[in-house]
Amino acid sequence: DAGVIQSPRHEVTEMGQEVTLRCKPISGHNSLFWYRQTMMRGLELLIYFNNNVPIDDSGMPEDRFSAKMPNASFSTLKIQPSEPRDSAVYFCASSLALGQSYNEQFFGPGTRLTVL
Amino acid sequence: SQQGEEDPQALSIQEGENATMNCSYKTSINNLQWYRQNSGRGLVHLILIRSNEREKHSGRLRVTLDTSKKSSSLLITASRAADTASYFCATRRGGADGLTFGKGTHLIIQP
Repeated sequence: DAGVIQSPRHEVTEMGQEVTLRCKPISGHNSLFWYRQTMMRGLELLIYFNNNVPIDDSGMPEDRFSAKMPNASFSTLKIQPSEPRDSAVYFCASSLALGQSYNEQFFGPGTRLTVL
Repeated sequence: SQQGEEDPQALSIQEGENATMNCSYKTSINNLQWYRQNSGRGLVHLILIRSNEREKHSGRLRVTLDTSKKSSSLLITASRAADTASYFCATRRGGADGLTFGKGTHLIIQP
């Protein structure tokens, strides 16, 4: 299995531009999570999906952030317009959730975003 | 706010020694997990302990959980240079919920 795939691995953009981060979860997993990591705030959960449905987006910082999961094998996190304070490493993770059975989350390599 | 708080923030020991990291959390949990992150890389799951468990082992790793004190510890025995990384505890309230991470302990193993 290729694991969780994220693209791009690095993104440098200018303030005001739209940024789209992509994630392909592990085949068969039904839960997908987006996290953000910064030195100041550590790792923060932004949003997660279960069976392609957004369950909790309370971690999304602002309306500039949006996430979609059109099918079980693809998700996007979009920032429009981007700001320098959005600079961070964005991680996607997936897991298999069965009722109240809790399984480990598998993380992708992350996308390092720099907004100038 | 961060649910988990790791202690210490940084730890440097000699190869072969044991490393102990602690984690405290604030609310009730369903399970607690430990992850490792090598510099510039993603997170790797190490071990999961459920709220009704008190201790768990996996290879050189030993995790304890004290729900009355809302704390957990991760022990790495016979440390190796390759264990140098940041270690995070993460809690999960239930089911398919996302994880709430602490700020991590940066572990350095001196050869």
